[in-house]
Amino acid sequence: KQEVTQIPAALSVPEGENLVLNCSFTDSAIYNLQWFRQDPGKGLTSLLLIQSSQREQTSGRLNASLDKSSGRSTLYIAASQPGDSATYLCARPGYFGTGTSLTVIP
Amino acid sequence: DAMVIQNPRYQVTQFGKPVTLSCSQTLNHNVMYWYQQKSSQAPKLLFHYYDKDFNNEADTPDNFQSRRPNTSFCFLDIRSPGLGDAAMYLCATSRDGTGKETQYFGPGTRLLVL
Repeated sequence: KQEVTQIPAALSVPEGENLVLNCSFTDSAIYNLQWFRQDPGKGLTSLLLIQSSQREQTSGRLNASLDKSSGRSTLYIAASQPGDSATYLCARPGYFGTGTSLTVIP
Repeated sequence: DAMVIQNPRYQVTQFGKPVTLSCSQTLNHNVMYWYQQKSSQAPKLLFHYYDKDFNNEADTPDNFQSRRPNTSFCFLDIRSPGLGDAAMYLCATSRDGTGKETQYFGPGTRLLVL
C-alpha cells in the first residue's frame, strides 16, 4: 500500500523567508505527484502537478521537485508571505500525506 | 468556469438518519472520487468511479455507498451516519484515471452528526 509522509507537520517562519516542505512516498511507480493547498475548513486547491517523467515544476514563487529514485518530493516557497499560511498536502493518486501546517508571521 | 461543485457546503444530520451528499462537474471528466477528511487528518479515498465502473477501497465501511447516474453527477450516500462519520467530504475529478493527470477538487461538504 502506498504511504505518503510529510515533514515537518508544522512550520512557522517570518515573512520573506524561503522555505522547503518535504514529502516522501513508498511507491516509486509511474504516477504523478501533486501538491495542494488547504485553508482552514476549505477544500483543496491544486498548486503544482509533477508528471512521473518530470523532475520539477514551477509556478510563480513555488517550485516543486520530484526524485523517484529516493521517493521524495519537495515544495520550495520563495519570499514567503502571510497569505501563504495554510496546510500544504502532497499526494500520489488516491493517497495523501498528512500535510504541513505553515504559518508565515508578518 | 468549468469546475467541481458540491452541495450542500454544510450538512447536519441526526445519528442513524440517512444522508446524501452531491457532487457535479462541468469538466466532462471520466473519473470522480470521494474522499473523507477528518479533522487534522489527510483525505482518505473512499471510492471512485471510472465512467460507470465503481471501485471501492478495501477499508471503506459498508455504510458508505455511491451512485453515478451520469457523467456529470456523483452522490455519496451514508446509510446510517454515526458520530464518527462527522468529517469533510471531498469530491474530485480527473480526466482519465491513469494517475498521470491533475485531480480537481470541489470545496467539500462538512457533515455534522448530532
